[in-house]
Order: sequence, then structure tokens, then C-alpha cells
Amino acid sequence: DSGVTQTPKHLITATGQRVTLRCSPRSGDLSVYWYQQSLDQGLQFLIQYYNGEERAKGNILERFSAQQFPDLHSELNLSSLELGDSALYFCASSLDRLQTGELFFGEGSRLTVL
Amino acid sequence: QKEVEQDPGPLSVPEGAIVSLNCTYSNSAFQYFMWYRQYSRKGPELLMYTYSSGNKEDGRFTAQVDKSSKYISLFIRDSQPSDSATYLCAMSALENNNDMRFGAGTRLTVKP
Repeated sequence: DSGVTQTPKHLITATGQRVTLRCSPRSGDLSVYWYQQSLDQGLQFLIQYYNGEERAKGNILERFSAQQFPDLHSELNLSSLELGDSALYFCASSLDRLQTGELFFGEGSRLTVL
Repeated sequence: QKEVEQDPGPLSVPEGAIVSLNCTYSNSAFQYFMWYRQYSRKGPELLMYTYSSGNKEDGRFTAQVDKSSKYISLFIRDSQPSDSATYLCAMSALENNNDMRFGAGTRLTVKP
């Protein structure tokens, strides 16, 4: 158990809808990362938050947004969903934004867009 | 061309075999190299971490980095059925996790 909790584990929705994925990092970790994993693209970095502030953006679509709350949990909002957004969404955390290598991943939220 | 190339497999070996997993990359600035293991329906977990070129051994696992060839490897000795998982290579140029680039992952099955 990595200590990172993600909800929901599975989500099925329709095109055009909006969903929110939730992540609780490991106790004490200040950095939260969101990744998208699809069969053909592998793990793609979306966005990072550190202690409530956005630190880095990767390949995150404008239809997607995220935030990290004062209690350090994070939410990833996906709107105007398209079929291609179907994927596994992982949250990961680390203690420090400059700590290289060890990210602690949750078990992921599997999103299916029909 | 992707920054990090990894053969997705699948790779199937008998128990006890030596497994070799590889990644190539194009960005010569990468200097931090990781291997993550991902079991089915789980998130990836860090298996090995190396900095720059050279070898690192941890039990049955050995990670090798050849920066001159832009090639990294993970060797698993005496493979066990419990090693069946997807192995993802990852690398970074900066001492910063948000710079990390992952390979697509190689699915390994070790048959008893």
C-alpha cells in the first residue's frame, strides 16, 4: 500500500459530461502529480501541485483542470469529455518537489467515456 | 520519435530464467534513470533508481545505464512468478519529478 488514495476506482460516463477525480497523498507529502495512462501513450504527466500551488504543467488539455486544497488533497476535473479521454488516471505524491525518482502512486481511477 | 522507447512485449519466460528489459532514449540530457514495476490493477512502484551511467544491483535486480548509447536495461535473475508485472522505465534530466518521462512499459509473465 503506497499510502496514496484515489477515488473513485472506476467511473463510466458519457461524452460531454464532467467528472472529478480525487486524490489524498501520503501523509506528509506536499507534492501531488497527476498522470494519464493509456495503452498507446503510456504514462503522461499532466500537472503537479506543491503545497497548494501549481508547479508544473505537462500535456494537460484545456478541458482539464486541477487544484490542491489546504489539507493537501487534490482534485482533477475533466470536462466536455471525449471518447479519447478514456484512460487510467493516476495520482502520485512525493515529500518534496525536488525529490527525484520516487513517486508514490495510487491505484488509479479508471475512466470510461461512452 | 518518442523521447523514450520501450518494447511493450509481452514477454513470457519460464521460472528461473534471466530477464532482460530495455529502453532507449533520445534526450542526451537525461541523467536520472528509474525502473517502476506495475502489477495489474495497481499503480507503479519504484523498483530501481540510478544516476548517470553504471550499474546498480539490488537483490535479484540489476539496473544498467549506458549514456553513450542512450540505452538502459533491467536484469532480473532467477525470475519468479511474482515478478509477473509491467515494467516501466522512467528518466529525467533535472532533479525534479515533474520532468520525468516514462516508457510505455513491458508486460512480463513468468510461468511456473
